[in-house]
Amino acid sequence: DIVMTQSPDSLAVSLGERATINCKSSQSVLYSPNNKNYLGWYQQKPGQPPKLLFYWASIREFGVPDRFSGNGSRTDFTLTISSLQAEDVAVYYCQQYASSPYTFGQGTKLEIK
Amino acid sequence: QITLKESGPTLVKPTQTLTLTCSFSGFSLTARSVAVGWVRQPPGKALEWLALIYWNDDKRYSPSLKTRITVTKDTSKNQVVLTMANMDPVDTATYYCTHKREYDDTVNNAFDFWGQGTVVTVSS
Repeated sequence: DIVMTQSPDSLAVSLGERATINCKSSQSVLYSPNNKNYLGWYQQKPGQPPKLLFYWASIREFGVPDRFSGNGSRTDFTLTISSLQAEDVAVYYCQQYASSPYTFGQGTKLEIK
Repeated sequence: QITLKESGPTLVKPTQTLTLTCSFSGFSLTARSVAVGWVRQPPGKALEWLALIYWNDDKRYSPSLKTRITVTKDTSKNQVVLTMANMDPVDTATYYCTHKREYDDTVNNAFDFWGQGTVVTVSS
């Protein structure tokens, strides 16, 4: 199984400041034939289902604000919010969909400082 | 517009079998590359992927649960059913069904649509 490890577990950032969440996979999720990283990022607000933010590690889902960005390749990935807004308070998860079982990271709780 | 909705009991007793139904619209589970999955989340904890069923009836299961879970589809009803045997209090969670595409890297292959989830409590 591919183990996904996120850091930090929790993060407090001031409004308007940058927030960065890291995700590391125990094996590469890059599929060489198509050069795509099988990595997604999700945002989950209290009482709501997860919402997909990024697929292929860096492709923003429709409607996601451009202050969000996803980067990385192979085993190391980051989700960055360039200027934190109050509505960004949530738990963020990475997930690999390169191979079954499609494992999630443990989540990173993002709060306002 | 793709929508998914989970339904089933809110309370089950230990050792009983849980049966959850995912009713969906906006796509067909007969279309190539389409799959429906199940994910659960214990209270205050992380997401855990459980199972996936593909348009061609191929199935994938979490290794830690594969002896207890089965997923089936009824394409005429646009439904997917998850059964989980021998329920235990640690299986108390919100259970989500999700939509996924696979084997076609020209489209998004992540879990792009989710149901609202159904809360299942295991208690005697």
